[in-house]
Amino acid sequence: EVQLVDSGGGLVQPGKSLRLSCAASGFTFGDYAMHWVRQAPGKGLEWVAGINWDRGSVGYAAAVKGRFTISRDNAQQSLHLEMNSLRPEDTALYYCAKDSGRHIAAGPIDSWGQGTLVVVSS
Amino acid sequence: EIVMTQSPATLSVSPGERVTLSCRASQSLTSDLAWYQQKPGQAPRLLISGASTRATGIPARFSGAGSGTEFTLTIISLQSEDFAVYYCQHYNDWPPGYTFGQGTKLEI
Repeated sequence: EVQLVDSGGGLVQPGKSLRLSCAASGFTFGDYAMHWVRQAPGKGLEWVAGINWDRGSVGYAAAVKGRFTISRDNAQQSLHLEMNSLRPEDTALYYCAKDSGRHIAAGPIDSWGQGTLVVVSS
Repeated sequence: EIVMTQSPATLSVSPGERVTLSCRASQSLTSDLAWYQQKPGQAPRLLISGASTRATGIPARFSGAGSGTEFTLTIISLQSEDFAVYYCQHYNDWPPGYTFGQGTKLEI
């Protein structure tokens, strides 16, 4: 059974940094692209960032490009999101998500973590 | 960039009814369209991919149709557990990445 366990969220002041992590199990992590998708309180789903199976390609939504960095460790079966220069509008539940294929967004997301809440506020 | 528009935003229905949700793309997608269900306090769940292929374990009362720019999700004989928010998503468009519709909420 695929399991994605998100962690690292919390309350952070504007302009500060935070690092999210996702521990994966139940599948061959290194065979799939991975993503972060967020959901602001009471709002819809927003794709944040994605990374290919072999880290050969990464991509970001325009709203976070230059501030967020996605990375993965296939040996440790983990996914990370380094978030810098955080803004109040980054407040959301952040989901780790498994792509159905090796390449970013080539297929739909077929598994989701439970989410970790990030609140950016002074 | 492709924009996904779902309608209506909210739909009031009753158990046992049949309902059809709409998702429109600003450009042709062929069949690279997925549907997700999200219940309160839960992560989304994949229902449909390739516009019409049910994901593993999804009941047959859920069906997807469409191609190009017009897509639908139909649920026949609504069950109480089907009241949720439904999102469509375009994929296989890199860059820029995934594009979600804004969601349709099914309520009693």
